Amino acid sequence: EDKVVQSPLSLVVHEGDTVTLNCSYEVTNFRSLLWYKQEKKAPTFLFMLTSSGIEKKSGRLSSILDKKELSSILNITATQTGDSAIYLCAGVFNDYKLSFGAGTTVTVRA
Amino acid sequence: DARVTQTPRHKVTEMGQEVTMRCQPILGHNTVFWYRQTMMQGLELLAYFRNRAPLDDSGMPKDRFSAEMPDATLATLKIQPSEPRDSAVYFCASGLVQGRGGQPQHFGDGTRLSIL
Repeated sequence: EDKVVQSPLSLVVHEGDTVTLNCSYEVTNFRSLLWYKQEKKAPTFLFMLTSSGIEKKSGRLSSILDKKELSSILNITATQTGDSAIYLCAGVFNDYKLSFGAGTTVTVRA
Repeated sequence: DARVTQTPRHKVTEMGQEVTMRCQPILGHNTVFWYRQTMMQGLELLAYFRNRAPLDDSGMPKDRFSAEMPDATLATLKIQPSEPRDSAVYFCASGLVQGRGGQPQHFGDGTRLSIL
């Protein structure tokens, strides 16, 4: 059965800290891994990773995939209160179905 | 900015009533997904369509749930009869899948459903 596990489940940091979120996957016919940020409403797309070892960056956020270890990390540097959200990792498999992890709740305190 | 549009945003109804949720995917996207999100189960895939044809609805309770795509601009998810355990946020997402390549799914804002 396809499985995506995220850790930690939640964390609290102070503004300016760096955060590292982990995602491991066991997905049949793996195609790619996606990261989403969910605040109050819809998950919003952050990164799509298909190739191992290539870092994707957007501002203070970055992510990398390790296909050998079946894992990915999402880094947030110089955190701000606006980074408080649930971060979801999803494995894309077979016919572009997504299998989501439970998410990591990040709380950034001022 | 293209968006997935879902209606209604909120729905409160009594147990046993029929509920219909609607989704307008992003124009040009050929794949539409329905998800349900709860605190206990997280995001679960209920059903999805490619070019309006249902591909997989194995995540959906078949006795009470049904999903259709009457045309390329409208997807519907119906629950009849509704039960309190159906209370959740229901998300629609759409994406473009071509050959072996695919674009990330984009989500609507969801329908928050409460069954009393």
